[in-house]
Amino acid sequence: AQKVTQAQTEISVVEKEDVTLDCVYETRDTTYYLFWYKQPPSGELVFLIRRNSFDEQNEISGRYSWNFQKSTSSFNFTITASQVVDSAVYFCALTTNAGKSTFGDGTTLTVKP
Amino acid sequence: KAGVTQTPRYLIKTRGQQVTLSCSPISGHRSVSWYQQTPGQGLQFLFEYFSETQRNKGNFPGRFSGRQFSNSRSEMNVSTLELGDSALYLCASSFVVAGGSAYEQYFGPGTRLTVT
Repeated sequence: AQKVTQAQTEISVVEKEDVTLDCVYETRDTTYYLFWYKQPPSGELVFLIRRNSFDEQNEISGRYSWNFQKSTSSFNFTITASQVVDSAVYFCALTTNAGKSTFGDGTTLTVKP
Repeated sequence: KAGVTQTPRYLIKTRGQQVTLSCSPISGHRSVSWYQQTPGQGLQFLFEYFSETQRNKGNFPGRFSGRQFSNSRSEMNVSTLELGDSALYLCASSFVVAGGSAYEQYFGPGTRLTVT
């Protein structure tokens, strides 16, 4: 069985603060894929990033960065200089090679002006 | 490319009835997954179809079923509706490469089902 844990249910920050969303996963598979999705107030989930289990290289995309550490089974997401538009629910997910997906419960991020 | 579409967007049903939800994936995507989203339970995986076959299944009772057609469109059926089935049902499609390698999912807007 696989599991994704997002321990932070809600986070509130003031604009321009940096914020890190935590994600810890469990799986017995040696090959798996990790994802982050964003669900803004409008409702539709939007894909942010995909990471293969065999690629621990961290990634930066603008104000977003992701830190994948296999040793601690973590795939954390950092937003630098947060903006009000970043307010959303963020989901971390794991998909196996066989196509089965497990999502975390999500972290609700509120960025106040 | 057109995104994932789901119909209907809103549905109100009575306990005991059955319901069928429809999902049209992005062109070229052969994998379709269904999720139930509720405030208390988050995003729960229902099942995944690939090439008209159910490839993966979550922990839902047999009242929840689905199918996929040759054009990759998928339907989800819930029989004998219960109050607890009220939720947002999301469909997601994904590109799949033969031999594995999971790609990102693209989600539709969802069908909001209310059971009274």
